[in-house]
Amino acid sequence: EPEVTQTPSHQVTQMGQEVILRCVPISNHLYFYWYRQILGQKVEFLVSFYNNEISEKSEIFDDQFSVERPDGSNFTLKIRSTKLEDSAMYFCASSGQTMNTEAFFGQGTRLTVV
Amino acid sequence: AQSVTQLGSHVSVSEGALVLLRCNYSSSVPPYLFWYVQYPNQGLQLLLKYTSAATLVKGINGFEAEFKKSETSFHLTKPSAHMSDAAEYFCAVSGNTGNQFYFGTGTSLTVIP
Repeated sequence: EPEVTQTPSHQVTQMGQEVILRCVPISNHLYFYWYRQILGQKVEFLVSFYNNEISEKSEIFDDQFSVERPDGSNFTLKIRSTKLEDSAMYFCASSGQTMNTEAFFGQGTRLTVV
Repeated sequence: AQSVTQLGSHVSVSEGALVLLRCNYSSSVPPYLFWYVQYPNQGLQLLLKYTSAATLVKGINGFEAEFKKSETSFHLTKPSAHMSDAAEYFCAVSGNTGNQFYFGTGTSLTVIP
């Protein structure tokens, strides 16, 4: 069964460092997303990506964040200068070829900023 | 704007008892609604979805949900709880552009043996 895969599963980084979280969405999907979940809180939308550009982003997704689909298979989230409050579980998701189909989520990357 | 509200951040039921997790939505357009489950240390897994075909939607693991437009609700139910149902449950609504999903704050389900 096709699935969304994320690497690494856990990343520890020092405050101020850049991190790149990687995702391989389901191959024939067209919509890609990043969400985050701070420990004990709800799942928050960061950004959606379609047709090689950002289609929506939330207030959380400020200038320190960027996304890229560098090679047609990977979908990455870069945090330029990490802050303590960026510590969270980051979920990548993809959805199919039409709008309003369900999103399939990866297992998440737990980012710990120290 | 789309949003969902989940009433009750924690629900406890006895094994074999009815599970009822509440979700109310707000949407300016006919909504597409979803329930996801998150087991400890795992990602989100789709339980079921409503896409305007049938108001009673059956999902995996014996769960179902009923879309009630008059009540703007999409409550999740299961007739008989199992220990393996203990998890976090999220209701979500898709945006009117289909470009994002708005999640509720989640309900943690505990099943008591």
